[in-house]
Amino acid sequence: DIQMTQSPSALSASVGDRVTITCRASQSISIYLNWYQQKSGKAPKLLIYGASSLQSGVPSRFSGSASGTDFTLTINSLQPEDFATYYCQQSYSKVTFGGGTKVEIK
Amino acid sequence: QVQLQESGPGLVKPSQTVSLTCTVSGDSINSGVYYWSWIRQHPGEGLEWIGYVFSSGNTDYNPSLKSRVTISIDTSKKQFSLSLRSVTAADTAVYYCAREGRAASGIDSWGQGTLVTVSS
Repeated sequence: DIQMTQSPSALSASVGDRVTITCRASQSISIYLNWYQQKSGKAPKLLIYGASSLQSGVPSRFSGSASGTDFTLTINSLQPEDFATYYCQQSYSKVTFGGGTKVEIK
Repeated sequence: QVQLQESGPGLVKPSQTVSLTCTVSGDSINSGVYYWSWIRQHPGEGLEWIGYVFSSGNTDYNPSLKSRVTISIDTSKKQFSLSLRSVTAADTAVYYCAREGRAASGIDSWGQGTLVTVSS
């Protein structure tokens, strides 16, 4: 089974900050890595697919990158509506989610 | 625009089987382009993939749940279903149905989720 290790599990940031969340796969997953945002009581929302492609309708301050088995979600200029929990997901072999990162207001 | 809606019992007794159905509207469930998935989230915790079914009926499951899970599809009704057997309190969770594109395109559509509580 492919394990996804996401870090940090939580972070505090201010509006306007740049935020970086990382996910490491236990083996090569090519670019089969997606990022989601989930707000309390709601279903997750797809932000980034294929490691770096921006889903339609998602603000351009969200971006994704990959280096080997390490993947990064970056939020430039954090906005009030971005405070949420973020998950990575691999779909290379079956499906596995990372443990999540809660982004809180500092 | 595709919409997915879960339906099923909110309360199930331990050792019973919980059956959930997802009804798809606004898109063909038979297009051959998507995996139709079930994902759950325990209260206050992260996301757990249960499995998916393809329009052909082919399935794939989370190894940790495989012995208790069956996912099926009825393209004529535009529905796919989850059956989880021998439930315990540890199966209490919000269950989401979702649509995942093939070839690294992500889970782009989700149902609103339905809470299933296992309790006597």
